[in-house]
Amino acid sequence: SQQGEEDPQALSIQEGENATMNCSYKTSINNLQWYRQNSGRGLVHLILIRSNEREKHSGRLRVTLDTSKKSSSLLITASRAADTASYFCATVGEKLTFGTGTRLTIIP
Amino acid sequence: ETGVTQTPRHLVMGMTNKKSLKCEQHLGHNAMYWYKQSAKKPLELMFVYNFKEQTENNSVPSRFSPECPNSSHLFLHLHTLQPEDSALYLCASSQAGADGYTFGSGTRLTVV
Repeated sequence: SQQGEEDPQALSIQEGENATMNCSYKTSINNLQWYRQNSGRGLVHLILIRSNEREKHSGRLRVTLDTSKKSSSLLITASRAADTASYFCATVGEKLTFGTGTRLTIIP
Repeated sequence: ETGVTQTPRHLVMGMTNKKSLKCEQHLGHNAMYWYKQSAKKPLELMFVYNFKEQTENNSVPSRFSPECPNSSHLFLHLHTLQPEDSALYLCASSQAGADGYTFGSGTRLTVV
């Protein structure tokens, strides 16, 4: 069954702006991961946040996790055209389960 | 290159054909996975292998048959597929007990 659901399904912003994507999930997790996928390609692991963490940074990426609300957000600051891709959250309970993704388009 | 290589990149096959997808990882991981990605649907986990042993079959039809001869190679044998099986098939690997998965670039399968 689907675990993560990303919101919005699609997002278009101007280059240089910040992009925020949200993920909600249903059951208990060990950790939550964000992946990126360029069109028709494999997924690339971006960042992992454990269930006892609330916020994590990696370069221009900032991830938050609220286990009480069963939600996470991914913020990409100072977006670039090369950030155009689909972004997926994946929750790890017994196995890695993906949401449907957010399609992010950065307009140059 | 992520360290997980999938071949072929693209495959078109008829419903009566038999073909195989191949995945190879050079990362020393001991767990490998097949995922199916269809348009507008979440990635679906198909099979999991840990230390060459299949530990999960996610109710996948028997027309998909996995094979894991060793911890570096994973195959997906296909026969008598249906047009709705057209999708991007992704292989991934991980170190069992660790967290991040490494994905290959996928095989785009079209069943005609």
